[in-house]
Amino acid sequence: EVQLVESGGGLVKPGGSLRLSCAASGFTFNIYNMNWVRQAPGKGLEWVSSITTSGSFTYYADSVKGRFTISRDNAKNSLYLQMNSLRAEDTAVYYCARAGSWGPPDYWGQGTLVTVSS
Amino acid sequence: DIQMTQSPSSLSASVGDRVTITCRASQGIRSDLAWYQQKPGKAPKRLIYSASSLPSGVPSRFSGSGSGTQFTLTISSLQPEDFATYYCLQYNSYPWTFGQGTKVDIK
Repeated sequence: EVQLVESGGGLVKPGGSLRLSCAASGFTFNIYNMNWVRQAPGKGLEWVSSITTSGSFTYYADSVKGRFTISRDNAKNSLYLQMNSLRAEDTAVYYCARAGSWGPPDYWGQGTLVTVSS
Repeated sequence: DIQMTQSPSSLSASVGDRVTITCRASQGIRSDLAWYQQKPGKAPKRLIYSASSLPSGVPSRFSGSGSGTQFTLTISSLQPEDFATYYCLQYNSYPWTFGQGTKVDIK
């Protein structure tokens, strides 16, 4: 069974940093692209970032470019999102999602809540 | 960036109704479009990929059509468990973009 479990969310002050993790199991992690998608409270879905199988290529939404860094450790079956210079508008549930080659996300984690507030 | 315009933003329907939701892309995206269903407090669930392909386990009352810039999600006979919010996603090029969502509630 495919499982994606996010962790690392919490309350952080504006300008602070947080590192999200996503532990993957039930599939061969290193052959799938991985993604982060977020959802602000009461709002729609927003794609944040994607990383290819080996980590060679990464992509970011303009809203997070230069502040967030996506990475993966295939030996640990884990995906990460380093978030720096956090803003109130980054408050959201962050989902980790698996995607096939050049395909859309198929499996999603349950999400972790990040709250940016003073 | 490719903009996805989804309509309507909400609709009220009864069990057994046929429901149609549309997404329009600001430029051609071939068939690189997926549809997701999301219930409150839950992660999105993929319903359709490649505009019209149904993953295994998704009921056949869901169908998708379109290519280029115009896409449609159809629920042929709405069931109680289908009351949810639906999103389209274009994955033709980065940045990926979602539609604004369509909330389907009980009439």
